[in-house]
Amino acid sequence: GENVEQHPSTLSVQEGDSAVIKCTYSDSASNYFPWYKQELGKGPQLIIDIRSNVGEKKDQRIAVTLNKTAKHFSLHITETQPEDSAVYFCAAGKYNFNKFYFGSGTKLNVKP
Amino acid sequence: DTGVSQDPRHKITKRGQNVTFRCDPISEHNRLYWYRQTLGQGPEFLTYFQNEAQLEKSRLLSDRFSAERPKGSFSTLEIQRTEQGDSAMYLCASSLGGQLNQPQHFGDGTRLSIL
Repeated sequence: GENVEQHPSTLSVQEGDSAVIKCTYSDSASNYFPWYKQELGKGPQLIIDIRSNVGEKKDQRIAVTLNKTAKHFSLHITETQPEDSAVYFCAAGKYNFNKFYFGSGTKLNVKP
Repeated sequence: DTGVSQDPRHKITKRGQNVTFRCDPISEHNRLYWYRQTLGQGPEFLTYFQNEAQLEKSRLLSDRFSAERPKGSFSTLEIQRTEQGDSAMYLCASSLGGQLNQPQHFGDGTRLSIL
């Protein structure tokens, strides 16, 4: 099965700085990579996703990059704000999927 | 779009008791998923329905666990003879599968605590 590894486990940045979270996956058949944000007491909320036929996708302050050859993908958050503080999860799966495999999460702390 | 709804939000029970959780997916979504999340970890897949058919079950889903989705609408997850190790957040997600594949949308989960 798929194995998704995520780094770092915790990340602390100053407000306005950029944050980068990295994930690797093992199954070369995986072709869909969503990122979720989870706040305390809430379920994961989809923030951005990317399919394997695209190398980069951007949505305002959030971008995701994918390197299929190296089997890794990254989340980039620019101009971080305190409300970006949460746990972020990457996941991998197949687009016409039945399930995702999640990374272990990154706790992002944005200091005002 | 009212989102995925889960009930109850919290459940505290004694070891050995049976518990049942309910999930109401987004109304037009034909796919429904159950995940389990323990502290400090990402969600782990448990099982998946397309309409009323349960199409896949993880080996994490022991014979004490059973899930149903009658009529392809809401779903229930039952745990019989609960054990300490069952303490976790149980998350439900739904999506619109088929030709217009859409990502999974999660509910806020049911947190289960076994005393």
